[in-house]
Amino acid sequence: GAVVSQHPSRVICKSGTSVKIECRSLDFQATTMFWYRQFPKQSLMLMATSNEGSKATYEQGVEKDKFLINHASLTLSTLTVTSAHPEDSSFYICSASPSTGELFFGEGSRLTVL
Amino acid sequence: AQSVAQPEDQVNVAEGNPLTVKCTYSVSGNPYLFWYVQYPNRGLQFLLKYITGDNLVKGSYGFEAEFNKSQTSFHLKKPSALVSDSALYFCAVRATYSGAGSYQLTFGKGTKLSVIP
Repeated sequence: GAVVSQHPSRVICKSGTSVKIECRSLDFQATTMFWYRQFPKQSLMLMATSNEGSKATYEQGVEKDKFLINHASLTLSTLTVTSAHPEDSSFYICSASPSTGELFFGEGSRLTVL
Repeated sequence: AQSVAQPEDQVNVAEGNPLTVKCTYSVSGNPYLFWYVQYPNRGLQFLLKYITGDNLVKGSYGFEAEFNKSQTSFHLKKPSALVSDSALYFCAVRATYSGAGSYQLTFGKGTKLSVIP
């Protein structure tokens, strides 16, 4: 199946700093990518839809100024957690869909804010 | 609005026995249904999907799922469980169109499967 690469897999940062997470579709182009957040023992919560060349569409309750999304090319979307705080600690997962329709997911990024 | 219910938080099954992970859905129109598996600290891996056609769908790692329109269910099954099948399983239904052939998915809350040696 299609491959979605996510980096870094783990990151630890100090409170107040910003962290960037990259999501790449390795063998297909994705004009749309999705960013999810997963809390322990819970399902995935869709944060935003990343659209290549335009602004991301955020879900209700997600702060767009805290979670900056940039979809700079057809194979790369980035999520930047700005001025991170301990409550932002979570598992962040991206996904993308080739023309076949099903979503393929990155391996996830575990963010720990100290 | 679409929704997915996975009624069991956890399913325990002995190795070698058949397993079933339950999923029911609510969607207007024809359902597009998916199963994903997640291992600890990993992303989701696609197992199988139902779009149209045969109600019994075969997927990766020997898993299959049966679409039942009258019961609005899409239960995941495997004839003989392996210890390595222990993971978190998510059922999902295709939700809104997001442009360029991409759709969001609405996920169930997940079911933790434990296969006991």
